[in-house]
Amino acid sequence: SQQGEEDPQALSIQEGENATMNCSYKTSINNLQWYRQNSGRGLVHLILIRSNEREKHSGRLRVTLDTSKKSSSLLITASRAADTASYFCATASPLGNDMRFGAGTRLTVKP
Amino acid sequence: ETGVTQSPTHLIKTRGQQVTLRCSSQSGHNTVSWYQQALGQGPQFIFQYYREEENGRGNFPPRFSGLQFPNYSSELNVNALELDDSALYLCASSRRETYEQYFGPGTRLTVT
Repeated sequence: SQQGEEDPQALSIQEGENATMNCSYKTSINNLQWYRQNSGRGLVHLILIRSNEREKHSGRLRVTLDTSKKSSSLLITASRAADTASYFCATASPLGNDMRFGAGTRLTVKP
Repeated sequence: ETGVTQSPTHLIKTRGQQVTLRCSSQSGHNTVSWYQQALGQGPQFIFQYYREEENGRGNFPPRFSGLQFPNYSSELNVNALELDDSALYLCASSRRETYEQYFGPGTRLTVT
């Protein structure tokens, strides 16, 4: 079963704008990760944030985590057409022996 | 590109048949996980193997089984195929200590 839910399901923006995607989950986690998937291919790991962290940056990516609300957000700044993809959040259980993905946000960046 | 490879790329099977999908992990990774991704959905966790033993399992019936070999390559076996088994099957390797998963390109299975 899906653990997380991304919001919105789809997002369309202009190149240069910022894109924000949200993720909510249901159970205790060890960490939360964000992945990108292009056109039904394999997923690419973007960033991992541990349950004791609140914010993390990587290049144009900023991730926040609020464990009290069981939610996370992914911000992509200065978006590019190449950022067009589906973005998934995934949570690892406290034992780390499974990963639960949400249904994803489909991001379209128009040139 | 990750160092994870999967074979075959595409596969067409008939309902009731059995299928074996293969995955070669990235060098240095000791854990492999398998996922099923239906069209328009997120990946669903099938199971995880660590040091050749099943280490965790999602909500999939026993006809989904797996193996991990000493070289950390892996197989996913599905018996008695059903139409709903049509999906993209993804394997991902990782080091148990770091959690970041490296995905292969997937195998597209179509059951007719």
